[in-house]
Amino acid sequence: AQSVAQPEDQVNVAEGNPLTVKCTYSVSGNPYLFWYVQYPNRGLQFLLKYITGDNLVKGSYGFEAEFNKSQTSFHLKKPSALVSDSALYFCAVSGTTSGTYKYIFGTGTRLKVLA
Amino acid sequence: GAVVSQHPSRVICKSGTSVKIECRSLDFQATTMFWYRQFPKQSLMLMATSNEGSKATYEQGVEKDKFLINHASLTLSTLTVTSAHPEDSSFYICSARVRDNTEAFFGQGTRLTVV
Repeated sequence: AQSVAQPEDQVNVAEGNPLTVKCTYSVSGNPYLFWYVQYPNRGLQFLLKYITGDNLVKGSYGFEAEFNKSQTSFHLKKPSALVSDSALYFCAVSGTTSGTYKYIFGTGTRLKVLA
Repeated sequence: GAVVSQHPSRVICKSGTSVKIECRSLDFQATTMFWYRQFPKQSLMLMATSNEGSKATYEQGVEKDKFLINHASLTLSTLTVTSAHPEDSSFYICSARVRDNTEAFFGQGTRLTVV
């Protein structure tokens, strides 16, 4: 069965510092990996995805993520955090279970960027 | 990015009544739509996966007779909460995607309150 783990409930970082939000996954076959951001009482906004190709993926708002197959990780990163980056971040994996492609989310990590 | 419109954004209904939530992909044809439920400060729980023209695949523990999903066209899926009870109060989010290896786009969510 496919699964996603986000080990940190919350990450605090000072504005201007680099940030990392962690994600590990488990899926049979090739993984399709995604990051989303959610603001209060809103749906999710797509940030970036890894399907194939370069392990370093660049996405919206200056975010990037590195796919590491040996560590089954897909950590989200940004070189310099902004206060406006404070939100709830979800990692997701898409893979097949019994022939049906599901879209499974991690538990989410709340990012707090301090001014 | 592509737009998914979810309606209504908020609904309050009396216990025992039914509520219909619509999810439309506005500028693309969605072969697959997903319905999620999100509890406060928690992740998205996948309720069901629906493909156009076929019956939805429900996750374990989700009552298919209570949460009726219809995916009649490539741009519209509906979730009907039948005989709603206060414990059904939650934030419901839909998403849609074109293919299995593409990102899903999310509606803005529906806050359902059953009184």
